Amino acid sequence: NAGVMQNPRHLVRRRGQEARLRCSPMKGHSHVYWYRQLPEEGLKFMVYLQKENIIDESGMPKERFSAEFPKEGPSILRIQQVVRGDSAAYFCASSPVTGEREQYFGPGTRLTVT
Amino acid sequence: EDQVTQSPEALRLQEGESSSLNCSYTVSGLRGLFWYRQDPGKGPEFLFTLYSAGEEKEKERLKATLTKKESFLHITAPKPEDSATYLCAVQVSSKLTFGTGTRLQVTL
Repeated sequence: NAGVMQNPRHLVRRRGQEARLRCSPMKGHSHVYWYRQLPEEGLKFMVYLQKENIIDESGMPKERFSAEFPKEGPSILRIQQVVRGDSAAYFCASSPVTGEREQYFGPGTRLTVT
Repeated sequence: EDQVTQSPEALRLQEGESSSLNCSYTVSGLRGLFWYRQDPGKGPEFLFTLYSAGEEKEKERLKATLTKKESFLHITAPKPEDSATYLCAVQVSSKLTFGTGTRLQVTL
């Protein structure tokens, strides 16, 4: 059973460009969570999605950030007009629909804004 | 606001030297407490979930326990491959709130 997959693993963007981060959950999982890990800080929750629905986006910055989890295909975290402060590791986690609460994490995407 | 505090921030042990990591929390309505291991440059790896005070779980050299205010991760006779950052997280709604972790280094 393949784990949570994220791509790209590393992404370099110049200030003002857009970043698109992709996450494919584990097989059989329909709940996706995005977390951000800033240097020397802990993991911070950003958004929780189910297929075609945003359930909780209380951790998402109000501007420039958006997330989706379409009926088909991976979940996407989109950051518009990136700034240096967006440089971080972005992790995706998934959990199954059956109600298990464990969240299984992917390897992360390391975003560097130059 | 949910708070999770882990101590110590860093811990250096010799191989075979047992110790405990602490995770204290302040939440309303705990659904679960999670322990993860994170190696440099990688995503967190799930270790344990604890749901109620008094619960204990074991996996190889690791044992996690839970009280109403804190959780302990006991490491018995650690080996160098146990070196990692250990993260504690609490779940109230669906999201996890993480502590900043304990960086464990086990030397020969």
